[in-house]
Parts: sequence; structure tokens; C-alpha cells
Amino acid sequence: EAAVTQSPRNKVAVTGGKVTLSCNQTNNHNNMYWYRQDTGHGLRLIHYSYGAGSTEKGDIPDGYKASRPSQENFSLILELATPSQTSVYFCASGEGDNTEVFFGKGTRLTVV
Amino acid sequence: GQQVQQSPASLVLQEGENAELQCNFSTSLNSMQWFYQRPGGSLVSLFYNPSGTKHSGRLTSTTVIKERRSSLHISSSQTTDSGTYLCALGIASSSFSKLVFGQGTSLSVVP
Repeated sequence: EAAVTQSPRNKVAVTGGKVTLSCNQTNNHNNMYWYRQDTGHGLRLIHYSYGAGSTEKGDIPDGYKASRPSQENFSLILELATPSQTSVYFCASGEGDNTEVFFGKGTRLTVV
Repeated sequence: GQQVQQSPASLVLQEGENAELQCNFSTSLNSMQWFYQRPGGSLVSLFYNPSGTKHSGRLTSTTVIKERRSSLHISSSQTTDSGTYLCALGIASSSFSKLVFGQGTSLSVVP
């Protein structure tokens, strides 16, 4: 099974601070994704990537940046964290379009 | 409107009973995936099933593309089956690729 590792697993950040969430996958998948999960909204796509050097906006990209420096790594960056970004963030990877997607264990972010 | 609708929203079963969870979608399907999630937990992929029927232990997934629906059947439920079941529709075009999730079915299996 595909291995997707997220770090940190839990994070408390202050409003206005910078937060970086990291994701690593070891299965040489081309596609990687960042989702957030909130009660009442379900899972929503923030950013995704088709490969090293590429990032694309998802459905809710405002307030977030993404970085894909290599095939294995995909980061989500909150330059100026706000309390509304308190959520659980999931990274995922898949071999390509219309293929099975595998998720990491999630990062619980609290912005105070 | 929502592209992916799951039903029921919640379900309580007596241990040993069967369950049928439904996922209906309003747009063309490229892929369909079912996930299981415990409260506060990660998403575990149960099935990648864009069409037809697949089996895994006590679980069966059936996707009927022309009827725009997918189902997850749980037989002989156990208390350890409790949690949330999510279906996700894979949408891909020349410019984007993503999973669109339903709101989930919360299942509670009691002894």
C-alpha cells in the first residue's frame, strides 16, 4: 500500500504566523493533493500537483500556497495563519488521473 | 448543487445486521473510491471501484455508471465497523484532477 507521511501531526500556531505542513510519499506517484476537513463542509481540495515543480489551485486556495520541490515532497504553506484555517489537513497521492488515491494520517492545525 | 450525495447520513445497527450505504452522483464519473474514517482518524481506502462489483471480506462495492450510483454493502456487521464511510467521485479533465467527496454516512454498530 502507498505510504503517505505527514508532519507534524499536530500543530498550534499563532494568528499571523507562518505555518508549513509537510507531506512525503514513497511510491513515486505523480499526483499529490492537499485537502482540509471541516464539520459541515466535508473534505475540500486546496491545492494539487502533477509532478515536481507544478502546483495547481483547487477549490479553496485562498490563504494557502503549495510547493512541490520533488516527486516525493509536497508542502502546504500558510503565510499568515488565521483562526479560520483551524482544521484537519490531509495530504494524498495517486499515480495519475483516475487512479486510486492514498491519504496520509492528517495534521490537526489549531490557529489561536 | 452537491455533486455527490450519500445516504443515509447516519445509521445504527445491531451487531450481525447488514447495511447498504448509497452514493449518488450528478456528474460524469471517471473513478469512484470508498473510504473509512474513525473519529479523528485517517482515511483508509476500502475500494477503488469505477465500475462493476468488488469484494473484500465482508464488504462489497457496486458501481453502476449509467445509473450514477455506487453502493457499499457491509454484511454481518461488527462493533469495529463503527465510523464514517465516505465515497469520493474522481473527476479529471485536461486541466484538473480531483476527488469530490460526499458528506459521509456515520455508522454505529452496537452489541
